[in-house]
Parts: sequence; C-alpha cells; structure tokens
Amino acid sequence: DAGVTQSPTHLIKTRGQQVTLRCSPKSGHDTVSWYQQALGQGPQFIFQYYEEEERQRGNFPDRFSGHQFPNYSSELNVNALLLGDSALYLCASSDQGALSYEQYFGPGTRLTVT
Amino acid sequence: GNSVTQMEGPVTLSEEAFLTINCTYTATGYPSLFWYVQYPGEGLQLLLKATKADDKGSNKGFEATYRKETTSFHLEKGSVQVSDSAVYFCALGHTGRRALTFGSGTRLQVQP
Repeated sequence: DAGVTQSPTHLIKTRGQQVTLRCSPKSGHDTVSWYQQALGQGPQFIFQYYEEEERQRGNFPDRFSGHQFPNYSSELNVNALLLGDSALYLCASSDQGALSYEQYFGPGTRLTVT
Repeated sequence: GNSVTQMEGPVTLSEEAFLTINCTYTATGYPSLFWYVQYPGEGLQLLLKATKADDKGSNKGFEATYRKETTSFHLEKGSVQVSDSAVYFCALGHTGRRALTFGSGTRLQVQP
C-alpha cells in the first residue's frame, strides 16, 4: 500500500518565477491538504482540497493556488516567488469520512528560492 | 482561534533517561490531539493520538494523556534511545475543520 508521494524532492527557483508541486494521496484517501514548513518551524496550513474543490484555506496570499484531480491527486502552484517562500512543502492526505482527523504526510518538497 | 504551545528545545538527554515534552493548547470545542515526529530530512510521521478527554495515546513506548482540565497533552517516554533523536510536533485537529494546527516543534537529542 503506497503512502503519500510527492514530487519533486528538491527544487531551486529564482525570485519571480512560478512553481508547481505534485502530490498523490495514500490509497483510499480522498482529501489532500498542503502545509508550508519554514526552517525550524511547525507546518502551517495552506489549503485543503476535497471533491476537486478548495474547502479550507489558511492565511496565505492568492499567489498560492491549487488543484485536485478526479484521481484525488493534487497540485500546489505558487506564482511570483519570493525569497520567503523557501520552505519544505508537505502534502497530507486523509479520509473525509473518517471520524478521526488523522492525516498522513508525504516526505515533502524542499523549495529554495534564490 | 486554535493554537498549540510546546516547550522550546533542544532537549538533550542521555540514553535511558526519562522524557517529557510539554504541550498545551487553546481551542473551542473538543479537538483531537496528535504527536507527530520528524526525523532528519523526512516528512512527519504520526506517533500517537487521542480523540477525547482522558484518552491516552501510546506507541513505541511513548504516551500522552488528553487532559481537558489543564488543556495539555504532554509527551512522555520512560527510557529514550539514541534512535529517538528527532523533532516532535504537537498538533490539534478541530471539530469540523480538517486542517491541523501545529506547535513549533521540540528537538530531542539523545546522547549515548
């Protein structure tokens, strides 16, 4: 049973560019959440997708957008990159119908903006 | 709003020492509480959870009890190993909201 997978593992971009990160959820999960983890900090919630719609959003600007596909996989897009966007981006999947709020995390994508 | 406060690290212990990492939370309603662990260069792994007051979560020798009266969920282990060296995150999942709120993490260093 494959867990949550993310690609790419590492990425280096220049300020002002755009980036797309990808996530495949754990088998049987239908909900994908994205988090940003700055160095030395806890993950911060960006947004969550369920049934191909953004359901919840954290305190992040519109430069951060996403998409969920019919197979439940998801993309995170960041436009007009800033140096402060450098972070580990984590994808987490869950089952919307589960009673627990347990989320399973992928290994993350390390984004460096220069 | 929701928030989670953890004790600052790093926590440095000798092998076989007793571990406590404090975690307190602020939330309305009755959140579920989690401890996640992050090993160097990796994502987060769920360590244990508790879904209601007085529940005790346990896994791999770690345990934490959901204390509603003190709004706490302290992580404990009776005898740590070098392999337990990692960053530990306390988190809460609020009723009706699937997003998790994390603390800032506590780095644990266990020396042989």
